[in-house]
Amino acid sequence: SAVISQKPSRDICQRGTSLTIQCQVDSQVTMMFWYRQQPGQSLTLIATANQGSEATYESGFVIDKFPISRPNLTFSTLTVSNMSPEDSSIYLCSAGTGDNEQFFGPGTRLTVL
Amino acid sequence: GQQLNQSPQSMFIQEGEDVSMNCTSSSIFNTWLWYKQDPGEGPVLLIALYKAGELTSNGRLTAQFGITRKDSFLNISASIPSDVGIYFCAGLRSWGKLQFGAGTQVVVTP
Repeated sequence: SAVISQKPSRDICQRGTSLTIQCQVDSQVTMMFWYRQQPGQSLTLIATANQGSEATYESGFVIDKFPISRPNLTFSTLTVSNMSPEDSSIYLCSAGTGDNEQFFGPGTRLTVL
Repeated sequence: GQQLNQSPQSMFIQEGEDVSMNCTSSSIFNTWLWYKQDPGEGPVLLIALYKAGELTSNGRLTAQFGITRKDSFLNISASIPSDVGIYFCAGLRSWGKLQFGAGTQVVVTP
C-alpha cells in the first residue's frame, strides 16, 4: 500500500486567483493521478501525472486550467488556475501500485468565493 | 465512453442487517475496486478484484467480480454503525485510470 498526504487540507480562495495543491507519497510509485469530486458527486479523473513529462489530461480538462508537475516518483502538484466558484470541489491525489491497487490522499477541500 | 451504473443510490438499514450493492458497466473491466469514503476523508480501498468470477472477502465484506467482467457486487454482513459512509465501485481502465460509480450512501440505524 501507499500512504499519501496532501497540502493544504482546505482553502478558501478569491475568484481569479490560483491555488497549488501538493501531494506526497511515502514510497516511490509508478503512477500518480489527480481527481476532482464536486459536492455530493463521485470522483472524476482530471489527469495522469507523468514523471518527467507533461501530464495526460482527460476530456474536459486542459493544462492551462490545471497545470500539473511531477518532478519525481513520490511528489506531484496540481494548480487550479484563474479560479471561479465552479471550481469549488474536493481535489484528490492518488497513487497506483504495480498490482493495480490505487490509494488516495485525504483530499483538498477548495471553496472559491 | 464506458458507463458505470451503481445501485442502490442510498440504503437505510438497521444495525445487524446485511447490505448489498452492485455496479454494472457497458464495457469490460479487467480490475474492479471497491472503496469507502467517510465525510471529510479520501476514499479508502476495501477490496480489489482481478479475475472474472473471483470472490474475495475482507472481514464482513465480500465482493465478486462478475463472470462477464461487466459487473461487480459488494456485500456487507451484520452491519454496524461504523459502516456508515459512501461506497464506490471503480473499474480500472488502461494506464491505471479509474472510472467510478456514482456511489451508494449507507446509513445504519441502531
